[in-house]
Amino acid sequence: EADIYQTPRYLVIGTGKKITLECSQTMGHDKMYWYQQDPGMELHLIHYSYGVNSTEKGDLSSESTVSRIRTEHFPLTLESARPSHTSQYLCASSEPAGQDNEQFFGPGTRLTVL
Amino acid sequence: GDSVTQMEGPVTLSEEAFLTINCTYTATGYPSLFWYVQYPGEGLQLLLKATKADDKGSNKGFEATYRKETTSFHLEKGSVQVSDSAVYFCALKWGSASKIIFGSGTRLSIRP
Repeated sequence: EADIYQTPRYLVIGTGKKITLECSQTMGHDKMYWYQQDPGMELHLIHYSYGVNSTEKGDLSSESTVSRIRTEHFPLTLESARPSHTSQYLCASSEPAGQDNEQFFGPGTRLTVL
Repeated sequence: GDSVTQMEGPVTLSEEAFLTINCTYTATGYPSLFWYVQYPGEGLQLLLKATKADDKGSNKGFEATYRKETTSFHLEKGSVQVSDSAVYFCALKWGSASKIIFGSGTRLSIRP
């Protein structure tokens, strides 16, 4: 059982609001990731981190930002939410380098911006 | 660049039917290959994996064999159950890279 948590699970919010999606893991993993999953199910990597104070942009451009001040915590922030940000956001983590290391996923946050 | 192509869904089968979900990949070198499953309302979880050619990954009655000659990693199950209804993602990871490349997902629905 993976120990990776996301809150909130569901969020409905109005346009222009600032939001933070929380992600935490208790496995001591250095590497963490944020994916955006569109209604067609496809996953898009939007941010990742190799460890504390490391953040990188993913393959899909996103207006969100992330921070990594602690190993276990990797929050994602939208300064001003818009309807185009409506999506499912999945957080994941993995152990250090290894070809067959899997990623462990949280349950996701479903965000709706009105 | 590296990529994963899997069959489009949705796939609808009756209970106890045989399942195949096709997956092919394009990559330089010898990536590790994965199948992840996403049940309704949940995140992804690893179903099975294979790290080198001719390896067979298996779990919960599902199997997939790493075929280097056809660059494929098709998912199979001999007798599906209603509880197998989910979205299935084929994926590859190459070398020590952190990122996993996912296919677009295949939604599977099993009728009782």
